[in-house]
Parts: sequence; structure tokens; C-alpha cells
Amino acid sequence: DVKVTQSSRYLVKRTGEKVFLECVQDMDHENMFWYRQDPGLGLRLIYFSYDVKMKEKGDIPEGYSVSREKKERFSLILESASTNQTSMYLCASSLWGFAEAFFGQGTRLTVV
Amino acid sequence: TQLLEQSPQFLSIQEGENLTVYCNSSSVFSSLQWYRQEPGEGPVLLVTVVTGGEVKKLKRLTFQFGDARKDSSLHITAAQPGDTGLYLCAGFGAGSYQLTFGKGTKLSVIP
Repeated sequence: DVKVTQSSRYLVKRTGEKVFLECVQDMDHENMFWYRQDPGLGLRLIYFSYDVKMKEKGDIPEGYSVSREKKERFSLILESASTNQTSMYLCASSLWGFAEAFFGQGTRLTVV
Repeated sequence: TQLLEQSPQFLSIQEGENLTVYCNSSSVFSSLQWYRQEPGEGPVLLVTVVTGGEVKKLKRLTFQFGDARKDSSLHITAAQPGDTGLYLCAGFGAGSYQLTFGKGTKLSVIP
């Protein structure tokens, strides 16, 4: 069974904190993605990575950074959390360029 | 960014009715995918369409990719309560590995 695991289902952080969201896949996939999902706005791509140590900005990268030191792990970093970053964060991976994306269960982050 | 517009945004129907969900863009996509998401879970792939004009069937679900590869539709025949969920279309733009999603159609099938 393919598996994408996000480190937390629910997270509450304070404004200004540095926040790390971790994602691990066990499928040896090349590509990994971070999305946020908000009501009425759908899934919006924050960053994606098509190889280890390679990353590309998505549609809404401001306020975020990512790290991919190992193929199986893709981390999303909120440098200084703000209330407008309260959202559902979804990690996904895919085998190659245009293949099916497998999603984790999501992390619901609340910034207070 | 290549945009995908989905319609309708919300759909509430009685069990047994048919429905169609649309996914449109002004851009050409190399492929389009349809996902279904249930509350508290990540999206799960239903189908990928690649060739213009392609039609794929998955039990009571029929997916079509437009001839120009700019649009797609999902048709559900005789909807059942188990079809309830958020339906998302997603696509890779020409020459891009960026997977872009539409905003989704939230379907409720009432018994």
C-alpha cells in the first residue's frame, strides 16, 4: 500500500512561531508537493519538488519555505507563523512528472 | 498559472438522479485528473484522461476530456449517497510538473 504520512493531524501555534510540517512517503516517488486547502479557494500549490534538493515555487510561496534533504521527506516551514496561515495543509507525492498524486491525510494548522 | 474553473461549486441532489460536473480552462493541459475527497481525508485519484476526446468509465462515473484538451466533465448516473464528497479536477500544464487544482464541486446525495 502506498503511504504518505504527515507528522501531525492537528497543530496549534502562536503568531510569530517557526513551524515545521513534515511529510514522508514510502513509495520512492520523485515528486512531492505541498498544498493548502481553504473553503472556497480549493487546493493551492505552495511548493513542489521534482528531485532531492530541488524545489520550485507554486502559486502562493510567500511566507513559506521547504526542505528536501532526502527523497522520502519533504518539509514545509512557516518562518514566522501568522493568523492568515491558518489552514489545512496537504502533502502529496507522485512517481514521475505526470503521474497520479497520492495525498497524506492533511494537517489542520491553527495560528492564534 | 493555468486556471481550472469547476462548476457547479455545490450540488445537492436526490438519490437516483444524474448529474454532470464541469472543469474548464482557457489553457491546454497535457492531462487532466479527477479526484474525490471525503471529509478529513486527502484527495484520492479517480481517473486520468490524456487524449483529446477520450472517454473513460468507472462504474456509474463517466469522464470525458475535451477535443482541445482544455476541458473535462464528470457524469454520474443514478447517484447514490456513497457518491457524496468533494470532486476535484487537476491538470498538468504543457511542459510543467506543476499540478493545478480546480476549486472543487461539493456533491451531496440525499437518500
